Amino acid sequence: DAGITQSPRHKVTETGTPVTLRCHQTENHRYMYWYRQDPGHGLRLIHYSYGVKDTDKGEVSDGYSVSRSKTEDFLLTLESATSSQTSVYFCAISESGTWNSPLHFGNGTRLTVT
Amino acid sequence: AQSVTQLGSHVSVSEGALVLLRCNYSSSVPPYLFWYVQYPNQGLQLLLKYTSAATLVKGINGFEAEFKKSETSFHLTKPSAHMSDAAEYFCAVRSGSEKLVFGKGTKLTVNP
Repeated sequence: DAGITQSPRHKVTETGTPVTLRCHQTENHRYMYWYRQDPGHGLRLIHYSYGVKDTDKGEVSDGYSVSRSKTEDFLLTLESATSSQTSVYFCAISESGTWNSPLHFGNGTRLTVT
Repeated sequence: AQSVTQLGSHVSVSEGALVLLRCNYSSSVPPYLFWYVQYPNQGLQLLLKYTSAATLVKGINGFEAEFKKSETSFHLTKPSAHMSDAAEYFCAVRSGSEKLVFGKGTKLTVNP
C-alpha cells in the first residue's frame, strides 16, 4: 500500500467552525489531490497540488482552501464548515501528472458537520 | 468535456456467476480509462487501466475490461464472482489535459 495517512479519520464539528484535514505521504510523490465522496456523486475533485506551494482548484473548490508547505503534507481547510460539507474526504497521490500515472488513495476522513 | 457514465448503481450476482459492470465514456480526444475498487471503509485501489496498447486489459483479482471505441465503452468483467468481490467499483476517464473524472460508482453484491 502507498504510504498515505489521513488525519483525523473521523471528525464531528459544528457549523461555522474552521476544520483542517491533513494528508501525509511517505512516497515523495509530486502530485497530491483532495476529493470528496458523496452518495450518488462518486468522487469529486476539490483541490490538487503539483508541487510545494503549487496548488489549483478542482470542480468543487468553493468553501475550501489548501496548503502545501512540504512535499509530504497537503492540508485541506474548511474555512467555515457547513452541513453541505458533511462528506468523506479522500487524499490521493500520484508520481506525475501524466495520464498513465495512477492515483493512490488514503483511507479517508469522515467529516460530519452538525 | 469528458464524462463517464456507469449504468446501474447496484448490481447483484450469485457467487460463481459472471460479473459485468458497465461504463460508457464521452471524450473529444482519445481517452485514458481506469477502473478502481473501493472496499468498505477504505480508499480506492486501482484495478486496471487502458493504455491504448491493447483493447483487452487484464487487472488484479481476475478482472478485465475491454475498450470498444465504436461503442465508447469500457465494461468491467470477471468470469466467476467471489464473495470477496463485493465492493463499490468506479470507472474513471482522463483525456487531453483534463483531470481524472470518476463515474458515480456501482455497488456489487455477491450472493452465496
